[in-house]
Amino acid sequence: EVQLVQSGAEVKRPGESLKISCKASGYIFTSYWIGWVRQMPGKGLEWMGIIYPGDSDTRYSPSFQGQVTISADKSSSTAHLQWSSLKASDTAMYYCARQYPSSSSAYGMDVWGQGTTVTVSS
Amino acid sequence: HSALTQPASVSGSPGQSITISCSETSSDFDGYNYVYWYQQHPGKAPKLMIYDVSNRPSGVSHRFSGSKSGNTASLTISGLQAEDEADYYCSSYTRSSTLGVFGTGTKVTVL
Repeated sequence: EVQLVQSGAEVKRPGESLKISCKASGYIFTSYWIGWVRQMPGKGLEWMGIIYPGDSDTRYSPSFQGQVTISADKSSSTAHLQWSSLKASDTAMYYCARQYPSSSSAYGMDVWGQGTTVTVSS
Repeated sequence: HSALTQPASVSGSPGQSITISCSETSSDFDGYNYVYWYQQHPGKAPKLMIYDVSNRPSGVSHRFSGSKSGNTASLTISGLQAEDEADYYCSSYTRSSTLGVFGTGTKVTVL
């Protein structure tokens, strides 16, 4: 079964660093794009960035460029999303998702993680 | 960068058909076949309903169909059912975007 399992909920203080994970199983990790999506409380979906684990080609949305780092570890089939200094405005649900194999671009994502809630509060 | 505009809400009675539009505000949308539709129930992860404008992933009901004309893509739900009540988002990738964008989202209510 193809699945993405994300790390658990996090509660952090402003200024702290954080790295959340998305472990893939059931398919060849290096062959499909992985994307990260933010959903702030009561708001819509936002693409943060995508990574191709095969060669670590990474693209960031302008809104998130320089604010987060997306990476992938081929040895553990795990993608990561990290912050060096969190802000209260980073409070949101974060989803990882995998490219649908039949999709012509990276943005058709058919398998989604369960989401990781990040709360940043002093 | 590009914006994808959807109606905030659409409603219909069981059995009816409804259509959700997704309009792009720049000229980069036309000619590209990278349009996706996602369904999201409250507290759940999104689900891919349509890819590449009009294709259904395996397992998605035939009641869902997608199309595009010029700068506007559409998702039609036929034979509306209570389980279709959810938020729907379009997504696309255009020349003016360095990454994909989501639409503003549409809440579908089954009356």
